[in-house]
Amino acid sequence: AQKVTQAQTEISVVEKEDVTLDCVYETRDTTYYLFWYKQPPSGELVFLIRRNSFDEQNEISGRYSWNFQKSTSSFNFTITASQVVDSAVYFCALMTGTASKLTFGTGTRLQVTL
Amino acid sequence: GAVVSQHPSWVICKSGTSVKIECRSLDFQATTMFWYRQFPKQSLMLMATSNEGSKATYEQGVEKDKFLINHASLTLSTLTVTSAHPEDSSFYICRAGLALDYEQYFGPGTRLTVT
Repeated sequence: AQKVTQAQTEISVVEKEDVTLDCVYETRDTTYYLFWYKQPPSGELVFLIRRNSFDEQNEISGRYSWNFQKSTSSFNFTITASQVVDSAVYFCALMTGTASKLTFGTGTRLQVTL
Repeated sequence: GAVVSQHPSWVICKSGTSVKIECRSLDFQATTMFWYRQFPKQSLMLMATSNEGSKATYEQGVEKDKFLINHASLTLSTLTVTSAHPEDSSFYICRAGLALDYEQYFGPGTRLTVT
């Protein structure tokens, strides 16, 4: 069975601070995909990144960066110089197997204040 | 990217009535559609998986007679909440994609309130 743990329930930072959202996953599959989604108050899920299990390269996209470490089964997400518009709930998710089932973590609510 | 729509975006219904939520893939044919439910301040929980032309597969604990799922075409899946009760009030989100493909697209969600 697969599992995604986001230990941080809520994080509050002041604008321009850097913040890292943690994600730890469990799976016995050797082929899997990891995702991060942003869910603003409107509710619509916004896709941020997808990473497959064979690609451990870190990725940077603007103020966002992701650190994938198979050795620790972690896929952490860092926002540099946070902005108020980053305030949302962020979900880490894991997809394994042929059924394309997507398992979500419990989410981390990020509040960025001025 | 591909677009998935949901209709309605929000609905209020009285207890005991049924409500239908539609999920459409607008520019691709989705062989598989997934329905999720999200209670306030909680994560998304998979309710069922439906493949076009076949019966839906429900997750443990989800009442298949209460949450009727129909996937009659490659672009449309519907979720009908029958005899809705206040505890069914939730945010329902569909996800559409191709089988065996990691590319998956979420609808914008439908907020259901049962009074």
